[in-house]
Amino acid sequence: SAVISQKPSRDICQRGTSLTIQCQVDSQVTMMFWYRQQPGQSLTLIATANQGSEATYESGFVIDKFPISRPNLTFSTLTVSNMSPEDSSIYLCSAWTGTEAFFGQGTRLTVV
Amino acid sequence: GEDVEQSLFLSVREGDSSVINCTYTDSSSTYLYWYKQEPGAGLQLLTYIFSNMDMKQDQRLTVLLNKKDKHLSLRIADTQTGDSAIYFCADYGNNRLAFGKGNQVVVIP
Repeated sequence: SAVISQKPSRDICQRGTSLTIQCQVDSQVTMMFWYRQQPGQSLTLIATANQGSEATYESGFVIDKFPISRPNLTFSTLTVSNMSPEDSSIYLCSAWTGTEAFFGQGTRLTVV
Repeated sequence: GEDVEQSLFLSVREGDSSVINCTYTDSSSTYLYWYKQEPGAGLQLLTYIFSNMDMKQDQRLTVLLNKKDKHLSLRIADTQTGDSAIYFCADYGNNRLAFGKGNQVVVIP
């Protein structure tokens, strides 16, 4: 298994600012993913964080808005840039070990 | 993982069995997962099945996979009040992990 630490757990941010969310895994993992979950909704995949190369973004998500870093096999960051109230959501990091996929507790973001 | 479809709501009496269904479209899926999410909590991995299997049993949980029809189900035996939650299926394929819409299970004591 893998234990994922995600921080911050929550934040309230002013519109127009940026927030960087960190995701630390306690072991090396093959893949890391970033998701967004609106209240009462399912998880929407934002991007796959690739180690040593640019992230692979899903349709509707772009690097300028959600820059992602993955400097090594245990750590990744997601930045939500130039935030607006529509970005208010829970952001989740996931790590795939090659068979199982585990999740952090999420970051609850409120943009005011 | 591509599109994953789930039904939305299931009510079940404590002690009965629950069955949650899911369909997916990605024929290249290698692993399929079931997650549980309780209110205000993160996602808990319940079980998973490799795509070349058709059944997996893990204590009260039974996963059935019909790869031909791209249909996945989760059976919870002897459902308990602690099983009340939202259940998500997910499939991994093409370096993506995609989720279904989720199925809320309410257990009636």
